Amino acid sequence: NAGVTQTPKFRVLKTGQSMTLLCAQDMNHEYMYWYRQDPGMGLRLIHYSVGEGTTAKGEVPDGYNVSRLKKQNFLLGLESAAPSQTSVYFCASSYTRDRWETQYFGPGTRLLVL
Amino acid sequence: AQSVAQPEDQVNVAEGNPLTVKCTYSVSGNPYLFWYVQYPNRGLQFLLKYITGDNLVKGSYGFEAEFNKSQTSFHLKKPSALVSDSALYFCAVRPISGGYNKLIFGAGTRLAVHP
Repeated sequence: NAGVTQTPKFRVLKTGQSMTLLCAQDMNHEYMYWYRQDPGMGLRLIHYSVGEGTTAKGEVPDGYNVSRLKKQNFLLGLESAAPSQTSVYFCASSYTRDRWETQYFGPGTRLLVL
Repeated sequence: AQSVAQPEDQVNVAEGNPLTVKCTYSVSGNPYLFWYVQYPNRGLQFLLKYITGDNLVKGSYGFEAEFNKSQTSFHLKKPSALVSDSALYFCAVRPISGGYNKLIFGAGTRLAVHP
């Protein structure tokens, strides 16, 4: 049981380049989330998904797109990277939307946009 | 606006001493409260959560947290710190509203335990 995994671990992009971050979970969780972590700001929600084929915007969605074609995978895309998107990106998942439900996090992807 | 405050950027503790990492929140109603820990180059790991009942919640690795409704606080504690506890700690709150298991995170507190 690998839990939540993320690919790649680290990436350097030039401004304007595109890339896709992959998140996979093997816990059969319905809900999946993408966060970004910036110094002194905690984690902020970018997009989330409540099930296969559905996605929705979080707090800071601009510049990102997501897709959930399979229940176990949640992709985060940057179409035209900007230096402001330099951050550490975390994927998380939870079984239900219940308020007491714990979210489980992946190891993170460190992205540097030059 | 709903928010979570972790007033200390860093907490320094000697090994063997008790530790406290503070968290206060500003959320309407009765939120659920969580603590996560992040070790270097790792993702966030769940430590404990408060849902209801006893104000003292016990979690992983010997950590516990005390919920105080009147002070809207949820401080993380451990009776005897270990060097291996050195990490970044995040408090998070799940408010009443929000249909997607919304979590509001504090900015994090770095705990440094010295031998």
